Amino acid sequence: AQTVTQSQPEMSVQEAETVTLSCTYDTSESDYYLFWYKQPPSRQMILVIRQEAYKQQNATENRFSVNFQKAAKSFSLKISDSQLGDAAMYFCAYRRGNTGTASKLTFGTGTRLQVTL
Amino acid sequence: DAMVIQNPRYQVTQFGKPVTLSCSQTLNHNVMYWYQQKSSQAPKLLFHYYDKDFNNEADTPDNFQSRRPNTSFCFLDIRSPGLGDAAMYLCATSRLGTSGVKADTQYFGPGTRLTVL
Repeated sequence: AQTVTQSQPEMSVQEAETVTLSCTYDTSESDYYLFWYKQPPSRQMILVIRQEAYKQQNATENRFSVNFQKAAKSFSLKISDSQLGDAAMYFCAYRRGNTGTASKLTFGTGTRLQVTL
Repeated sequence: DAMVIQNPRYQVTQFGKPVTLSCSQTLNHNVMYWYQQKSSQAPKLLFHYYDKDFNNEADTPDNFQSRRPNTSFCFLDIRSPGLGDAAMYLCATSRLGTSGVKADTQYFGPGTRLTVL
């Protein structure tokens, strides 16, 4: 079974600074997808960034980028120029790929990010 | 805007009194998921529908049922809520293509917070 581990329950960053959230996973699959989802307080979960395992290039979305280390099974999220609106719970998630049926997301336990002035 | 809508946002029920949570989507996605998220925990998949095909997770209690009368709507029925069922319930959708196209990203609704008295 696949597992996703987020070892940082809480992180804090100053506005305009950079922060990195860690995620490791365990799988025997070779084809899979990794995601970072953001869940602000009392608001819905939204996709921040996704990475296909077969792509070596790290995904980037504006101020958000990942460091995908497939051999180490590591998938960290870097947030540059942090903003107050980045404060949220961040979930790392894994999904099997190459399946003809809908497959579930396996989530980590989340990292709560605080952004301070 | 295309979206995933959940009603109500907050639901209070009494111990043992059946309750139904609603999810609708305008994305025309063929897969709909129900997740349970307890306080400060990761979302846990209860079941999903791929079109009309119902897929239950092995550890989902029988107390939880679901209905999908059409593409747009999906309901979560809790037949006899217990105190342990108090949680946020998240609905998500994704599009699964034909001819082996891989399942797409999941889009989440805002959730329904269920309180059991």
